[in-house]
Amino acid sequence: SQQGEEDPQALSIQEGENATMNCSYKTSINNLQWYRQNSGRGLVHLILIRSNEREKHSGRLRVTLDTSKKSSSLLITASRAADTASYFCATDAGVAGGFKTIFGAGTRLFVKA
Amino acid sequence: DGGITQSPKYLFRKEGQNVTLSCEQNLNHDAMYWYRQDPGQGLRLIYYSQIVNDFQKGDIAEGYSVSREKKESFPLTVTSAQKNPTAFYLCASSIFLSNTGELFFGEGSRLTVL
Repeated sequence: SQQGEEDPQALSIQEGENATMNCSYKTSINNLQWYRQNSGRGLVHLILIRSNEREKHSGRLRVTLDTSKKSSSLLITASRAADTASYFCATDAGVAGGFKTIFGAGTRLFVKA
Repeated sequence: DGGITQSPKYLFRKEGQNVTLSCEQNLNHDAMYWYRQDPGQGLRLIYYSQIVNDFQKGDIAEGYSVSREKKESFPLTVTSAQKNPTAFYLCASSIFLSNTGELFFGEGSRLTVL
C-alpha cells in the first residue's frame, strides 16, 4: 500500500489561478518531499519539509505540513501553462535504517492558457 | 553538465528476451535507485544501491537484476521472468543513502514488450 496519496487525482485550472494539491500519509514521518514530472520525463525535486516544520516557501510554491492530520498541501500561486505536469509527494515512512522513501500516485495538473 | 543519463529512451522487446537498461551518473553520488512507473500509479522501488558492489531489493525486485561494479553505473536487467515488464523505468541517485535527501532522476526509459 502507498504511504502517500495525493488528492485530487487530476486538476484543471486557468492560467493565473492558484492550484492546490493535497497529500495524505499513513504513518509518522521525518520529512515529506514534493516532486514534479513533465509528461514522459524524469522527476524534479521541488521542496522538502521536515516534520518539525509547518510551512515552507519556494518562489510560487507554498508547502504546508500538518502532522496531526498526517497531511501536506502544495500550493502553486499564479499558475502558468508551463506548470502543467504531475506532482508527487514522497514520504520516508519514518523507518530508521534502509531506504523507505515512498511516492504517491500523483496529481495531474493541467493549466489552460 | 552533471546529471543522470538513461539509455535507451525507448526499447521494444519480444517476450522471453532479457533487456538491460543503462544508467550513468556523473554527480559523484554514492546511492543509486531504480523505479518502475505504471500509468496512474506512483513510483515503485525495484532495487537500490548504497555503495559500489552492494545493492538491495526494493518492493518489486522479482524478475529484475542489477549490478554496481562502478560508482557511476547502475544497469538494470529486465529478465524474462518479469511477467509484465511494459512500463516506464526511472533511475535516480542521491549523495548518499538517505530518506531526507533529494533524489536526482534521469529522463527515463520506456520499455514495451511486443
